[in-house]
Amino acid sequence: DAKTTQPNSMESNEEEPVHLPCNHSTISGTDYIHWYRQLPSQGPEYVIHGLTSNVNNRMASLAIAEDRKSSTLILHRATLRDAAVYYCILHNTGANSKLTFGKGITLSVRP
Amino acid sequence: NAGVTQTPKFQVLKTGQSMTLQCAQDMNHEYMSWYRQDPGMGLRLIHYSVGAGITDQGEVPNGYNVSRSTTEDFPLRLLSAAPSQTSVYFCASSQQGFYEQYFGPGTRLTVT
Repeated sequence: DAKTTQPNSMESNEEEPVHLPCNHSTISGTDYIHWYRQLPSQGPEYVIHGLTSNVNNRMASLAIAEDRKSSTLILHRATLRDAAVYYCILHNTGANSKLTFGKGITLSVRP
Repeated sequence: NAGVTQTPKFQVLKTGQSMTLQCAQDMNHEYMSWYRQDPGMGLRLIHYSVGAGITDQGEVPNGYNVSRSTTEDFPLRLLSAAPSQTSVYFCASSQQGFYEQYFGPGTRLTVT
């Protein structure tokens, strides 16, 4: 399975945009890019996913590089509640493929 | 909707004991999964089910059994608990495959 690489941590200021990077240089053509986040002492929460085109939803935007070897999760206006571990995951739609969570990136939000 | 519920929230077992972690969802989702999360680590898939009566192994299935007799419930059984199974266990469900999974609040298990 293709792997993702994320920084260990990132800090941001409240009410400012946050760009969380993810590298996936070995991504295959049928790998979807998923993002989940996990708030302290809670289960993970789905954020967004995409294949080739940029995606927007009520929580965030996902910007995918043209060569698909990297992507960026964009939180348009960080709040204190956005402080969490964010996981960037590749998921192949082939048979027997599952989601594999790495260690993620810990986002801290300063008031 | 309650979403995905898990019981118990906390459990302490002695080595060799068995127990069942309960998971239920009220969203009529076909897919359900069990993950474990060790300190400072991401989640690892234990078992999953694509529908009632169908289960399959994930990345770390040894020491665990599952069954899926109804769409709503997906219990995880520890056959003979070991200290290496000390972890936080999360159950998840989704309508289609591993897309947009909904996770439960977790069960924190300690095996002494």
